[in-house]
Amino acid sequence: DAGITQSPRYKITETGRQVTLMCHQTWSHSYMFWYRQDLGHGLRLIYYSAAADITDKGEVPDGYVVSRSKTENFPLTLESATRSQTSVYFCASTTGGELFFGEGSRLTVL
Amino acid sequence: GEDVEQSLFLSVREGDSSVINCTYTDSSSTYLYWYKQEPGAGLQLLTYIFSNMDMKQDQRLTVLLNKKDKHLSLRIADTQTGDSAIYFCAEKAGRRALTFGSGTRLQVQP
Repeated sequence: DAGITQSPRYKITETGRQVTLMCHQTWSHSYMFWYRQDLGHGLRLIYYSAAADITDKGEVPDGYVVSRSKTENFPLTLESATRSQTSVYFCASTTGGELFFGEGSRLTVL
Repeated sequence: GEDVEQSLFLSVREGDSSVINCTYTDSSSTYLYWYKQEPGAGLQLLTYIFSNMDMKQDQRLTVLLNKKDKHLSLRIADTQTGDSAIYFCAEKAGRRALTFGSGTRLQVQP
């Protein structure tokens, strides 16, 4: 089915481990985004991508790495997870109008 | 940078109207959005308004924009228990990434 899917939906990891959150969209949207949602902060932009091989930092990029080798995939990697990265992560995509969101990945760093 | 502010909580009785308010700082905002987030889910677009409009109505939803005061509101008529959710205001100003408010939790009491 067409849409935007995130995996895993839930992840528990330990401080210092590497974690990758996957995002896949089937619409061939050029723009993709990663946001984190924390109580009291709403959604904050981590990274975004305007097209394959083009990525740019958002508001809170430290501690995260992204890549966009294919238009449909936009993985987010935490190279060495910290407790402050415990959050709900949302991937989104658009052609420039409505932003479509995935269901979210809830990450807990112990 | 851009800033979007919302009150955190609103409680109404079923059948009443709900009004959720939002203020933003970027005078070059071109689009303003309202997104709804139900528990455990991603955000879904409810409605949006162009910055050259001052009102938009869509069934039970009315969006008012006061561009001079940089104030946006969402009115939900005849609020139902199914409207209980978090409502996010967001704005876009030229670049593709939206800036979100912290969200307003709407609680509808039967």
